[in-house]
Amino acid sequence: DVKVTQSSRYLVKRTGEKVFLECVQDMDHENMFWYRQDPGLGLRLIYFSYDVKMKEKGDIPEGYSVSREKKERFSLILESASTNQTSMYLCASSLTYRGGYGYTFGSGTRLTVV
Amino acid sequence: GNSVTQMEGPVTLSEEAFLTINCTYTATGYPSLFWYVQYPGEGLQLLLKATKADDKGSNKGFEATYRKETTSFHLEKGSVQVSDSAVYFCALIDPGAGNMLTFGGGTRLMVKP
Repeated sequence: DVKVTQSSRYLVKRTGEKVFLECVQDMDHENMFWYRQDPGLGLRLIYFSYDVKMKEKGDIPEGYSVSREKKERFSLILESASTNQTSMYLCASSLTYRGGYGYTFGSGTRLTVV
Repeated sequence: GNSVTQMEGPVTLSEEAFLTINCTYTATGYPSLFWYVQYPGEGLQLLLKATKADDKGSNKGFEATYRKETTSFHLEKGSVQVSDSAVYFCALIDPGAGNMLTFGGGTRLMVKP
């Protein structure tokens, strides 16, 4: 089974800190995604990547950046954390030409910015 | 563009009751359809899927049938358990639209003993 691993389940950071959320997948998937999930707002796509060193903005990229230096790893960066970035962050991966298999999600990182 | 609409929750049922969560979709192409489940504090897990019309996806007692004529993919379970309490997301991937996953808003299910 494909596994998507997010490095932390819970994080508490201070306002203004630079925060790194790490995601690793072990099945050679081309595509990787970062979502945030908030009550009443569903899942919103922040950034995605379809290849190493490639990135595309999703629906809510402001305040975030990403890095994909290796195929298996996709990092989400909060350049200067703010309290409105307190949320659940979900990473996912998929194969490009196998849409019928859907996405595989990690367990999520619950980030609290104080 | 593509969209997924599912019934708003929460849905509250007693244990052993019959469950239906409605899901309808709009797609420009010929999508694959999915149900994901999210247990409290966890990420999303794929529950079941169907990739063509009249396919039935099933897993853990849950079923959903891909109905092209009604553009629907309703989730059903004959007898729910307390452990089924979770949020359920209907979703689609349209290969003609870049293989991006489009989610519904999610439906919270609460099962009482």
